[in-house]
Amino acid sequence: ILNVEQSPQSLHVQEGDSTNFTCSFPSSNFYALHWYRWETAKSPEALFVMTLNGDEKKKGRISATLNTKEGYSYLYIKGSQPEDSATYLCAHSNTGNQFYFGTGTSLTVIP
Amino acid sequence: KAGVTQTPRYLIKTRGQQVTLSCSPISGHRSVSWYQQTPGQGLQFLFEYFSETQRNKGNFPGRFSGRQFSNSRSEMNVSTLELGDSALYLCASSPRPLRGTEAFFGQGTRLTVV
Repeated sequence: ILNVEQSPQSLHVQEGDSTNFTCSFPSSNFYALHWYRWETAKSPEALFVMTLNGDEKKKGRISATLNTKEGYSYLYIKGSQPEDSATYLCAHSNTGNQFYFGTGTSLTVIP
Repeated sequence: KAGVTQTPRYLIKTRGQQVTLSCSPISGHRSVSWYQQTPGQGLQFLFEYFSETQRNKGNFPGRFSGRQFSNSRSEMNVSTLELGDSALYLCASSPRPLRGTEAFFGQGTRLTVV
């Protein structure tokens, strides 16, 4: 994988459903994997920065895991709420100080 | 604590002109990074400055340049503007180099090139 890829591109879920997204990235020269939430008309907001294989991080109902050997990260949202509606971006930074964003997963939570 | 401040918020320029955007980071943050967001390309990394030195640069032509001052404020300059430069330009600041820490984003500057 040369680019950072995210799937799905968009997602509609019912309030209360749990959901997850995938971020795939180059495993070579890996330094860190970043997750951001970007709500409409606002600035991107950092969720997690993970550096170690097997890292798991949690913030409220949102959690993320990291597999640097196979080059993927999952973001989980438990019990989705309408305020979780946003675009979720992952970004990969490498040892060469390059920084690449995926195109994001757009989440809509239907009340 | 004041957030990241970008000025101006909106800008209209003519093709061929140049433009300078400004970014004031959170107090104490030494890293400032710049991004371009377009509907077709998503969010793309332009460059990062840390302690007045450019650490890295994304895949953009030389028309895009930047600098950082001793107070960590940063400017981005785009010369010979093209229609395709119309975009939202975001800057972000971090307490440490970007690659291993979270970035705090400003509200962005919306540039329209006509």
